[in-house]
Amino acid sequence: EVQLVQSGAEVKKPGESLKISCQASGYGFASRWIGWVRQMPEKDLEYLGIMFPANSDIRYSPSFQGQVTISADISTSSAYLQLNILEASDTAMYYCARGEPGSFDFWGPGTLVTVSS
Amino acid sequence: DVVMTQSPLSLPVTLGQPASISCRSSRSLVYADGNTYLSWFQQRPGQSPRRLIYKVSNRDSGVPDRFSASGSGTYFTLKISRVEAEDVGVYYCMQGSHSPWTFGQGTKVEIK
Repeated sequence: EVQLVQSGAEVKKPGESLKISCQASGYGFASRWIGWVRQMPEKDLEYLGIMFPANSDIRYSPSFQGQVTISADISTSSAYLQLNILEASDTAMYYCARGEPGSFDFWGPGTLVTVSS
Repeated sequence: DVVMTQSPLSLPVTLGQPASISCRSSRSLVYADGNTYLSWFQQRPGQSPRRLIYKVSNRDSGVPDRFSASGSGTYFTLKISRVEAEDVGVYYCMQGSHSPWTFGQGTKVEIK
């Protein structure tokens, strides 16, 4: 059974950084793309980027390049999303999702990030 | 970026009646390999998105056959033949033919 387990909710202050995780099981983690999607409160889904763990090929949305860093650890089947210099506007639910050509076929439960002074 | 435009944004439906959502892309979604990477996702209240349809018209495993989808090029449609209470939520189209992948604004399906 495919599972994506994400780290728990976080509350951060503006200016801080944060790294959230997504641990995969039930499939070959290294050989499948894994991506990240943001959903601000009551808003649409926004694609942040995607990574192929086996060769560390990472593709960012130009809108988020420099604001986020995607990484992975094959030894623990985990993907990570680092959010740099947090602002209140980074308050959102962040989803990891397993990728396949042109789509995401399985989503994690999401990690709620709240940025507030 | 490819802009995905859904309509309507709100869709009140009577139980047992059909529903239809359209999605237009600002560019053709036919990819170099001949595939069209247009997916539909359902997001029930308080849940993460779940994919229903991939490559325009292919239903994912476990998706009820009351869901169907069609389209080509820049115009796509998701249809629910008979809406059930569990279908309440927001539906998103997403294109994966052009980088960055982009989503539609979402269509909120609710019961009248």
